[in-house]
This record gives sequence, structure tokens and C-alpha cells, in this order.
Amino acid sequence: DTGVSQDPRHKITKRGQNVTFRCDPISEHNRLYWYRQTLGQGPEFLTYFQNEAQLEKSRLLSNRFSAERPKGSFSTLEIQRTEQGDSAMYLCASSLGLVGPYNEQFFGPGTRLTVL
Amino acid sequence: QQPVQSPQAVILREGEDAVINCSSSKALYSVHWYRQKHGEAPVFLMILLKGGEQMRHEKISASFNEKKQQSSLYLTASQLSYSGTYFCGTGGLNDYKLSFGAGTTVTVRA
Repeated sequence: DTGVSQDPRHKITKRGQNVTFRCDPISEHNRLYWYRQTLGQGPEFLTYFQNEAQLEKSRLLSNRFSAERPKGSFSTLEIQRTEQGDSAMYLCASSLGLVGPYNEQFFGPGTRLTVL
Repeated sequence: QQPVQSPQAVILREGEDAVINCSSSKALYSVHWYRQKHGEAPVFLMILLKGGEQMRHEKISASFNEKKQQSSLYLTASQLSYSGTYFCGTGGLNDYKLSFGAGTTVTVRA
């Protein structure tokens, strides 16, 4: 296993369309995170899963965003009725899920979304 | 709440040293340092834990100052490969998500 993978790497869509991104974490990692990054900023937390359970979701996240991790392996992030402000890099990360703060998060290459 | 990084940018010649600071207004339990090159994913460098020892990745080291609620990243004898944007991510005691700073862009010139 070579790392976290994301698909697609780039997505261009028209405003109002729905889009779905996929993330495959490192195989033995049971925690999976979604972040969003805009130009000149650090990654912004969106949501995270422990196995298949979604444990936290950012309060700032619109209800147009939904994420799933049905079998505790890969995850999908869906954005409904996209807006131009959704244009960003969407990053997925995974970690082993150890108890306590020592959890290295390994990031995937990201999906760059452009909403026209 | 997002940690504050300083400086925003630094330009170095090969072999020079630099320090990047990451400050938080909230109690810090862990600080995660990443480096991101243009168009690539952030790459993990190291974690510092409250009460833990100073960490090192090649010639890059970092420290955790509990009194100041601050972590510092030290780039020693910089190499061209050190160029990129450095982010600190802070975590709470039982909080696995990270809050990232806006980043410090490091440019190392020959």
C-alpha cells in the first residue's frame, strides 16, 4: 500500500451540479479525515470518521456537504448544488487511530474542484 | 481556533537557518508540522506533544513551549529541498482533527 489515494484528481463542474469525490485511506488506518484547502490557506477541517462512524463535522459546513464511509474503508464526499465558493482543493487524510494525540495524519494528493 | 504562524514568508540562501513560529490562544496538546510543495499534498514532518521532547526530521527540528502555547520549527543549514510552505496543525487532548495555520512559505536559493 503506497498511501492515501483520491479520485478524481481534478473536477470541473457547473454551478448547481452535484459532485462526488472518493478517498481510499492507507489500509490499516481506521481514522479518515476530509479537509478543504483554498489558495494561500492551510487545510480546513470538514469531517472525520472512526471506522464507519462519522464522529465530527465542522459547524461551518453547509448541509449541501455529506460524507460516508460505509464499510470503514474508502470514503466519499458529496457536494450538492455546487456554488462557486466551493472551488477548492479537497484533501483526504488517514491515521492509525491510536488513543491520544499521537496520530500522524497522512494526506492524499487531493481533488481540485473548479465550479464555473 | 486557527493557530497563528509567523513569519508569513522567508527567503534563505542555501546553508542559512530560519525559525518558524506557531502560536495558539487555546491550550496546546499536540502540534503537527507539515511541508507542502506547490500542487502537492502536505507531507508529515513531525509531531510535538505537550511535555514531550524536542523532535527532529533530518536537519529540521522543533520545540514545544508550554508557557507560551507555542511551537517553533528550526530549519538548520537549509537545502534547496526545504523550499515549500510549512503548516502547523494543532490538536486538543481528545480531539483528533487538526486546526491549521495559514502557512509560512520558505524559499531557499542557491
